[in-house]
Amino acid sequence: AQKVTQAQTEISVVEKEDVTLDCVYETRDTTYYLFWYKQPPSGELVFLIRRNSFDEQNEISGRYSWNFQKSTSSFNFTITASQVVDSAVYFCALRPSGTYKYIFGTGTRLKVLA
Amino acid sequence: DAGITQSPRHKVTETGTPVTLRCHQTENHRYMYWYRQDPGHGLRLIHYSYGVKDTDKGEVSDGYSVSRSKTEDFLLTLESATSSQTSVYFCAISESSRYETQYFGPGTRLLVL
Repeated sequence: AQKVTQAQTEISVVEKEDVTLDCVYETRDTTYYLFWYKQPPSGELVFLIRRNSFDEQNEISGRYSWNFQKSTSSFNFTITASQVVDSAVYFCALRPSGTYKYIFGTGTRLKVLA
Repeated sequence: DAGITQSPRHKVTETGTPVTLRCHQTENHRYMYWYRQDPGHGLRLIHYSYGVKDTDKGEVSDGYSVSRSKTEDFLLTLESATSSQTSVYFCAISESSRYETQYFGPGTRLLVL
């Protein structure tokens, strides 16, 4: 079975706190891609990052960082020094190689309070 | 931002009425997708297209049909709308299957009464 689990339905933090959004995936494929998308209150879906299964290097982009661990089938997303503008729903997705289909998690709603 | 538009952006219709949603892209990407987004389900694939006139079903295709007569347009038709099809519909595009990152349109909010 192929599946993405985002167990945190909603997280609230106070501005400037660090927050980690969890993503656990299941796949039998050895080659696959993982993605994170952001959906702000305005509703659009914004691509954040793609990672393939052969690249376990962590990624940092400004206040955002991603920790990919194949051993635990996790692709977690950390926001450092959160800001109110980070308030959004964040989706993790899996695309096994050889298929066009993405498998999305159910999303984590992040609320950053001023 | 990828050039993807969806029309209409909002629609209210009645049960039993056919509805067509349009996705238009200016990127000349080969692959196009239709998703629906519902609370507690994330995004679920309805249909996708891998070329002009080449389409296939996703995981929630019942009650929906699609057509793609031009690279830039991908139409989603609800043959006879039901209240369970009330949802937000997103179109996505990607350039190739190998380096595929899907980019999403702004969404269409559909209410079936």
